[in-house]
Amino acid sequence: QKEVEQNSGPLSVPEGAIASLNCTYSDRVSQSFFWYRQYSGKSPELIMSIYSNGDKEDGRFTAQLNKASQYVSLLIRDSQPSDSATYLCAVKNTNAGKSTFGDGTTLTVKP
Amino acid sequence: GAVVSQHPSWVICKSGTSVKIECRSLDFQATTMFWYRQFPKQSLMLMATSNEGSKATYEQGVEKDKFLINHASLTLSTLTVTSAHPEDSSFYICSARTLSGRAGYNEQFFGPGTRLTVL
Repeated sequence: QKEVEQNSGPLSVPEGAIASLNCTYSDRVSQSFFWYRQYSGKSPELIMSIYSNGDKEDGRFTAQLNKASQYVSLLIRDSQPSDSATYLCAVKNTNAGKSTFGDGTTLTVKP
Repeated sequence: GAVVSQHPSWVICKSGTSVKIECRSLDFQATTMFWYRQFPKQSLMLMATSNEGSKATYEQGVEKDKFLINHASLTLSTLTVTSAHPEDSSFYICSARTLSGRAGYNEQFFGPGTRLTVL
């Protein structure tokens, strides 16, 4: 079992819809959770970080964390074609020197 | 804030030469930097974790003598690909971690990447 698992996709949604990206992790002591967006040929860009159970909203993005279920998700409201990218989930526990990244979910938003 | 730069952005070299890639945190101090490699349409692969003033920690399967990492200061880490071969052609990305970020801590920011092509 991978430490951080994401659906590889591709996930396709129409413009204006809500895109839901999911991530599960295996290390129960994980404390920091991050979502990155990576456009083709570019490096990842941090878009959200979340540390506590519940929802965290930033513009059209909402991260949801459920530590009991070891699950973190990213919702993108009013999806735009410019949101088409690969979304990476990353998880870190306090004792680890590094974050563990999932393989990413590719999202395509169709006009 | 939290800008990470990399230089060069792309490089083409002949087989057998060495290539040095620089990674700088421009507006924060990074005690820890990471080096990743990514092949086309594949996942990020962590190569090594670099801590300022100490030896880098390499991931399993990554040759430390081939990929030399130096983290001489809190804002600079370098990766040298020694005796590069065509199979080393890849997208190399560095990342620096903040101790405290705009929203929390342990946030990791990526440089723009260096595309290496070995002929």
